[in-house]
Amino acid sequence: DIQMTQSPSSLSASVGDRVTITCRASQGIRNDLGWYQQKPGKAPKRLIYAASSLQSGVPSRFSGSGSGTEFTLTISSLQPEDFATYYCLQHNSYPFTFGPGTKVDIK
Amino acid sequence: EVQLVESGGGLVQPGGSLRLSCAASGFTFSSYEMNWVRQAPGKGLEWVSYISSSGSTIYYADSVKGRFTISRDNAKNSLYLQMNSLRAEDTAVYYCAREDDFDYWGQGTLVTVSS
Repeated sequence: DIQMTQSPSSLSASVGDRVTITCRASQGIRNDLGWYQQKPGKAPKRLIYAASSLQSGVPSRFSGSGSGTEFTLTISSLQPEDFATYYCLQHNSYPFTFGPGTKVDIK
Repeated sequence: EVQLVESGGGLVQPGGSLRLSCAASGFTFSSYEMNWVRQAPGKGLEWVSYISSSGSTIYYADSVKGRFTISRDNAKNSLYLQMNSLRAEDTAVYYCAREDDFDYWGQGTLVTVSS
């Protein structure tokens, strides 16, 4: 099975900050990775697909990069509505696996 | 507009059974792969099961293999998860999600396994 790790597990940031979250796969997954945002009590929402493609309707301050085993999600200027938990997901091979999540809260 | 609406959750005793449904609309359901994902209270996301568009290919997480059965009815635009021999650790919100890249998700349905 492919293991996904995320760092950091949590971070505190201020509105306007640049935030970077890293996801690492235990083996190469090409670009078969998505990033998801989840707010309390809500379903996850896809932000990025194919590692670097922005989901339609998602603000351009979100961006993704990487391929193979290392991936990043960057929020260029954190907004109040961005405080949430972020997950990566590999869909290269079964069983599909999520990262453990990164909680972004207000400093 | 793509919509996925789960139903069928509730309180069930350990060892019991439950059948979840996911009603799809706004897209050609028969053309899309589907998944179930769950989230235990206060925990992260866990993929549970996958079914191909025709239903001919199915995968399960080891944690549910032999106890859960995924199925679909393309004529009814519906996805199902039959859950048997339920355990306390199956307590979670269960989401259906479209395609193998999980582009759209339902709002989830809560399953609580407790005596």
